[in-house]
Amino acid sequence: GAGVSQSPRYKVAKRGQDVALRCDPISGHVSLFWYQQALGQGPEFLTYFQNEAQLDKSGLPSDRFFAERPEGSVSTLKIQRTQQEDSAVYLCASSLGEGRIDQPQHFGDGTRLSIL
Amino acid sequence: AQTVTQSQPEMSVQEAETVTLSCTYDTSESDYYLFWYKQPPSRQMILVIRQEAYKQQNATENRFSVNFQKAAKSFSLKISDSQLGDAAMYFCAYRSAWGSQGNLIFGKGTKLSVKP
Repeated sequence: GAGVSQSPRYKVAKRGQDVALRCDPISGHVSLFWYQQALGQGPEFLTYFQNEAQLDKSGLPSDRFFAERPEGSVSTLKIQRTQQEDSAVYLCASSLGEGRIDQPQHFGDGTRLSIL
Repeated sequence: AQTVTQSQPEMSVQEAETVTLSCTYDTSESDYYLFWYKQPPSRQMILVIRQEAYKQQNATENRFSVNFQKAAKSFSLKISDSQLGDAAMYFCAYRSAWGSQGNLIFGKGTKLSVKP
């Protein structure tokens, strides 16, 4: 597809379960970002990849959050032992990157995660 | 650290009228980018307009224009001839021009309603 694709669109999990959220960026985009958007709030930065390298994970709220992009394309955000406060929309964005700081970020539709 | 503040949680406008959404930000950097994103219920973040801090001329995109006041650190969005399809959450965002990362810092958003 032409845009950023995220799956699943909705995810419901019981507290304590592990979840995995997938992001398929635009082909050729070097930079990939994950954001967390709590209800009624703006998105907050979680982590950043340049190709397969995770260059910044300062926004990950705890060591239960883990992200990877092993081949420099598809990325997975994993949350272990989910808690109710993890309920949010998780947005993925990609851009051409590689120092092209003025390239816009293209966002996916997000995954709405609900922890029961 | 940079912050972005949107002081209007909700705004309402009559169809075909003009509305202005406010945004202020705080930064010690001299070079940066500012953005307005629209987020409809579908959740996908759509770029509305962007402004480079080094440009004095205010950006315009069809019915959308900004009033960028660098000294005051203010970046408001004006929507002219409002349409029903403009109803959405609007987020103001900041991005540093330095480095190769470029994650966005968002405000909390303004919910815009358009009355027919």
